[in-house]
Amino acid sequence: QKEVEQNSGPLSVPEGAIASLNCTYSDRGSQSFFWYRQYSGKSPELIMSIYSNGDKEDGRFTAQLNKASQYVSLLIRDSQPSDSATYLCAAGDSNYQLIWGAGTKLIIKP
Amino acid sequence: KAGVTQTPRYLIKTRGQQVTLSCSPISGHRSVSWYQQTPGQGLQFLFEYFSETQRNKGNFPGRFSGRQFSNSRSEMNVSTLELGDSALYLCASSLAERSYEQYFGPGTRLTVT
Repeated sequence: QKEVEQNSGPLSVPEGAIASLNCTYSDRGSQSFFWYRQYSGKSPELIMSIYSNGDKEDGRFTAQLNKASQYVSLLIRDSQPSDSATYLCAAGDSNYQLIWGAGTKLIIKP
Repeated sequence: KAGVTQTPRYLIKTRGQQVTLSCSPISGHRSVSWYQQTPGQGLQFLFEYFSETQRNKGNFPGRFSGRQFSNSRSEMNVSTLELGDSALYLCASSLAERSYEQYFGPGTRLTVT
């Protein structure tokens, strides 16, 4: 069964520090990976996509992909209280379905 | 550009009833996917519609059905509601068929009593 696994948290990070969120996936056929942010009571919002091994940076966010280890991560630099949310990792399978992780709850402490 | 809209935002139904939820995608988007989100199960894929045809289906019973209209608006229907159907139902639109990059609506919170 295709799975994406994330630590449910909560992950508590001081304001201004780097928050590191991780996920692993089981389907070696997955080629596309996504990070969504979901604030409490709101719907998921796409914040990063990554398709190739290595790093992809967008502002304070960096997504990292290691296909050999089947590992995806999201780094948030200079964390702000507004970054407090649940972060969902998703992998695209060969049927063009997104396989979702259960999410990691991130808390940024002022 | 307006985002994805879903109506109604909140619903309370009793067991055995049926319910219809509506989704209007972003203008120009032709693909609509539906998800169920619960605290215990996370996001679960229900189905995807493109050009009025169901293209993909998740592992849900036949009580869950959907359709898409020529203007890309979509509805999903749940018949014979069960307590376990209480969830947030999310609609997501994409520009093209089988696109991974999806944009979510605010969701419909369904409570079954």
